[in-house]
Amino acid sequence: RKEVEQDPGPFNVPEGATVAFNCTYSNSASQSFFWYRQDCRKEPKLLMSVYSSGNEDGRFTAQLNRASQYISLLIRDSKLSDSATYLCVVTENNRLAFGKGNQVVVIP
Amino acid sequence: ETGVTQTPRHLVMGMTNKKSLKCEQHLGHNAMYWYKQSAKKPLELMFVYSLEERVENNSVPSRFSPECPNSSHLFLHLHTLQPEDSALYLCASSQEPGIQPQHFGDGTRLSIL
Repeated sequence: RKEVEQDPGPFNVPEGATVAFNCTYSNSASQSFFWYRQDCRKEPKLLMSVYSSGNEDGRFTAQLNRASQYISLLIRDSKLSDSATYLCVVTENNRLAFGKGNQVVVIP
Repeated sequence: ETGVTQTPRHLVMGMTNKKSLKCEQHLGHNAMYWYKQSAKKPLELMFVYSLEERVENNSVPSRFSPECPNSSHLFLHLHTLQPEDSALYLCASSQEPGIQPQHFGDGTRLSIL
């Protein structure tokens, strides 16, 4: 089983709509979780950390479900500038393990 | 944002060439990393350096040779690469090695002819 699994998509989202996607991880001992954003042909950039209690940053909400071993990202009121690939990152054996990413395409 | 700078941005080389990728971080971090990102694949960790000491080598072929002369600079020396080595090579840094968020450079897009 892969360490971090994500549905690559693409997720085609009408502008202004809400989109959500999950990421599953295999190591129950994982301690830290992050979402990174990667624009086409650019480097990944930290979007937000994911805390046990969940956290929100503007239109972005991240949740952690330890029992089912997944994290989620929800984007409300999607903007065209939200089009990117969202990488799920999980700690694994004292290093970061990256998923392939969820590609989001916001459509005017 | 110029926290982590990589040069060159693009590199085309033949299989018999020798070249080097350079990474410099201006964040005062103690850990630096090399990753490989191929199309449709997740980022693959190649090397980890902590305070100029290599702490992890993820079974990377010897045609890739890292060098960390100080905590701000990291090189990846390339020689006799294969076509399957064509990818985006990303440098990253973090305050300490391990599970902290990492800051990435722009990457070097490498094409092997």
